[in-house]
Amino acid sequence: DAMVIQNPRYQVTQFGKPVTLSCSQTLNHNVMYWYQQKSSQAPKLLFHYYDKDFNNEADTPDNFQSRRPNTSFCFLDIRSPGLGDAAMYLCATSNDRNEQYFGPGTRLTVT
Amino acid sequence: RKEVEQDPGPFNVPEGATVAFNCTYSNSASQSFFWYRQDCRKEPKLLMSVYSSGNEDGRFTAQLNRASQYISLLIRDSKLSDSATYLCVVNSRNTGNQFYFGTGTSLTVIP
Repeated sequence: DAMVIQNPRYQVTQFGKPVTLSCSQTLNHNVMYWYQQKSSQAPKLLFHYYDKDFNNEADTPDNFQSRRPNTSFCFLDIRSPGLGDAAMYLCATSNDRNEQYFGPGTRLTVT
Repeated sequence: RKEVEQDPGPFNVPEGATVAFNCTYSNSASQSFFWYRQDCRKEPKLLMSVYSSGNEDGRFTAQLNRASQYISLLIRDSKLSDSATYLCVVNSRNTGNQFYFGTGTSLTVIP
């Protein structure tokens, strides 16, 4: 089945230790998104790629970076995780402005 | 003003009841509308897109009112399995590929 896959599902990292979260998709969608979601809040868009074009949200901290080496893969790098970065990180894809499909998320814990 | 606003609830309804959620959006250029369902600690899943003429999928009916800039979701004959958070999502032509999320409406169906 076509789908959005995120790895790992659970990630524990130490304060300040860089971490990379990955997302892959078999839907061949041209847009990929990274969201941060904290408990009882709506997903917050960090950035998205439209094909190879990177679009950063104005309030996304510099601590968060992303890479999209090809259509299928997208990575979220957190250079120096703080306690406030503990959250669920959701990857999503869409075909232009059609509906989004989400991966299962990576739950990040910062110790 | 938020792009998308929803009543957070919670809505607690008995099995078999009919429940309706509303969502308002601020950008009159919005063109794509969706309802997503999110279970606790899981990713959002597309429930249905909302079309101008309104659309129905089994017990679920979605309506769009462009003049008043709101969308609605009606759930008939509520089941225990309908308990979740329902997210209203809007995409606007003039904001590229960004999707705006409401904070979600919590529904609990009680036996």
